[in-house]
Amino acid sequence: SQQGEEDPQALSIQEGENATMNCSYKTSINNLQWYRQNSGRGLVHLILIRSNEREKHSGRLRVTLDTSKKSSSLLITASRAADTASYFCATDALNAGKSTFGDGTTLTVKP
Amino acid sequence: EAQVTQNPRYLITVTGKKLTVTCSQNMNHEYMSWYRQDPGLGLRQIYYSMNVEVTDKGDVPEGYKVSRKEKRNFPLILESPSPNQTSLYFCASSSPTPSGANVLTFGAGSRLTVL
Repeated sequence: SQQGEEDPQALSIQEGENATMNCSYKTSINNLQWYRQNSGRGLVHLILIRSNEREKHSGRLRVTLDTSKKSSSLLITASRAADTASYFCATDALNAGKSTFGDGTTLTVKP
Repeated sequence: EAQVTQNPRYLITVTGKKLTVTCSQNMNHEYMSWYRQDPGLGLRQIYYSMNVEVTDKGDVPEGYKVSRKEKRNFPLILESPSPNQTSLYFCASSSPTPSGANVLTFGAGSRLTVL
C-alpha cells in the first residue's frame, strides 16, 4: 500500500490565494520530499525536509513536518496560474534507494 | 544537460509481445528506479537498483524484469505484456545525499498501451 496519502485530492483556488496540501504517512522516515508534476510529464523535485526539521522555506513554498503525527504540509503562497499541477509527497525510509509516493493533490489555479 | 532519457515515449503493443523500455542517465547516479503511474493510484515503484548488478523489488514487480549491467542504464523489460500493464512509466535516478536523502530526477515518461 502507498506510504503517503495526500489531502485534498483536488484543490481549486483563485490566483493570488494560498494553497495548502497535506500528506500523511505510515512508517518512520528519514526524509520527506515534495514533487510537482505538470500534466502527464515527469515529476520535478521541489523541496526536501529532514526528519529532524520542523519547517522549511523555499521561495513561495513552505513545508512543515510533524513526525509525531506522521504528517507534512505544503503551502504555496500567492499562487499563480502556472502553479497548476499535481503535487506529490514522497518519503524516504532508511533504505535510501526506495522512495514511496502518495497519491497526489491536483491543484488548479484560476487566473 | 543533466537528464534521464526514456525510450520509447509512446508505445502501443499487443498482449504477449515482449518489449523493453530503455532508461539512461548522464549524472553518474548510483540509484535508479522504475515507477508506474495509474489514475487514482499515484506512483508505485516497480523495481529499484542501488548500484551496478544490484536490483530489488519495489511494490509492484510482478510481470516486470530489470537489469543493471552499466551504471547509466536501467532497462525495464516486459516479457509477456498484459492489458493490466497499460500505464504511464517513469524512470528516475538519484545519488544519496550525506543525510541519506533520495532526491529523484525523473525521465519524461513512457506511455504504454497493451491491447
